[in-house]
Amino acid sequence: DVKVTQSSRYLVKRTGEKVFLECVQDMDHENMFWYRQDPGLGLRLIYFSYDVKMKEKGDIPEGYSVSREKKERFSLILESASTNQTSMYLCASSLGGQGEETQYFGPGTRLLVL
Amino acid sequence: QQQVKQSPQSLIVQKGGISIINCAYENTAFDYFPWYQQFPGKGPALLIAIRPDVSEKKEGRFTISFNKSAKQFSLHIMDSQPGDSATYFCAASNTRGSTLGRLYFGRGTQLTVWP
Repeated sequence: DVKVTQSSRYLVKRTGEKVFLECVQDMDHENMFWYRQDPGLGLRLIYFSYDVKMKEKGDIPEGYSVSREKKERFSLILESASTNQTSMYLCASSLGGQGEETQYFGPGTRLLVL
Repeated sequence: QQQVKQSPQSLIVQKGGISIINCAYENTAFDYFPWYQQFPGKGPALLIAIRPDVSEKKEGRFTISFNKSAKQFSLHIMDSQPGDSATYFCAASNTRGSTLGRLYFGRGTQLTVWP
């Protein structure tokens, strides 16, 4: 079974703090994704990565950056957290290069920025 | 611009009834249409998917109907059960495009099935 793990289930941070959200997958997947989920807005793609050290902007990259130094790990960074970044953050991975790709999601990190 | 539009936002169905969720898209390059199911406290998981070369796909009580000319697809849940209560997301992808693997999600439908 594919397993995608996220470093924290719940996180509380202060405005202006630098925040790191970590995601690890154990199935040697090429693709990894970061989404945020807000009520009524669904899943919005922040960044994704096709390979180590590669990254692509999604639909809402402003205020975020990412890092992929190893294939299995994809980090989302909030350089200076703001209250409007309070949300549920979901990481996903997929095999890569197959076209019809199932995305496997982690359980999510609920971030509260005070 | 929202690539996939989903309705309704919420749906309440009685046990044993049929739940229907609709999605529409504009990009004719989309050629893969999955549905994801998300239970509270969990990440979404693939439920069922269809390609546009067929008009219908059925897996147990779940059926996708696809209308290529109208650029619409829908999920039907027959004999809905309380255990089906979840958030459902439709999605679309261009499997031959440069962004292989990227899914464009609808905004989700929160389904509640009353016992």
